[in-house]
Amino acid sequence: GQNIDQPTEMTATEGAIVQINCTYQTSGFNGLFWYQQHAGEAPTFLSYNVLDGLEEKGRFSSFLSRSKGYSYLLLKELQMKDSASYLCAVRDTNDYKLSFGAGTTVTVRA
Amino acid sequence: SQTIHQWPATLVQPVGSPLSLECTVEGTSNPNLYWYRQAAGRGLQLLFYSVGIGQISSEVPQNLSASRPQDRQFILSSKKLLLSDSGFYLCAWNGGGDNEQFFGPGTRLTVL
Repeated sequence: GQNIDQPTEMTATEGAIVQINCTYQTSGFNGLFWYQQHAGEAPTFLSYNVLDGLEEKGRFSSFLSRSKGYSYLLLKELQMKDSASYLCAVRDTNDYKLSFGAGTTVTVRA
Repeated sequence: SQTIHQWPATLVQPVGSPLSLECTVEGTSNPNLYWYRQAAGRGLQLLFYSVGIGQISSEVPQNLSASRPQDRQFILSSKKLLLSDSGFYLCAWNGGGDNEQFFGPGTRLTVL
């Protein structure tokens, strides 16, 4: 089985940086994903890590440490539109199944 | 390009009524398909997945069933809905360079 933990809520100011942590304990591991979900909408893919280290995509970066069962999503230069829920998901080795954390709701304030 | 459709977008059903939600994928063949449910304020729970026509794996025991009558069609059903079946139902498929999952627009189901 999979156990994935992330904080419930975070608040930050426009233009600032926020780091969302995710820890996992899994029976199998074949990659970690971050998704963004705006209220009432479907999740959209943000990033993927399968090897240790940092992956950067514009204002968003994601880090993975497999030995520690730990990842974080870093959001830089926050904009109001970044207010959303951010979901951490771990992929199983079988059939590409994903197990999701409960999500972290980020609120960006002016 | 690949597209995933779900319908209906919203649905209000009485307890005990049947359910049929449909998901179709365009622009790909033989995709892995997934049904998730997201209850209010909670994470996504994987309900079913399918690696091919007629092949369904159930992740949790429940009041729901799934079928895959065609390669790019995935259906979620129930004979009698319960109040606890309310939620946001999302269909997804595997694609992209990292085999990430892409989600359909979802169906918001309210059981009264």
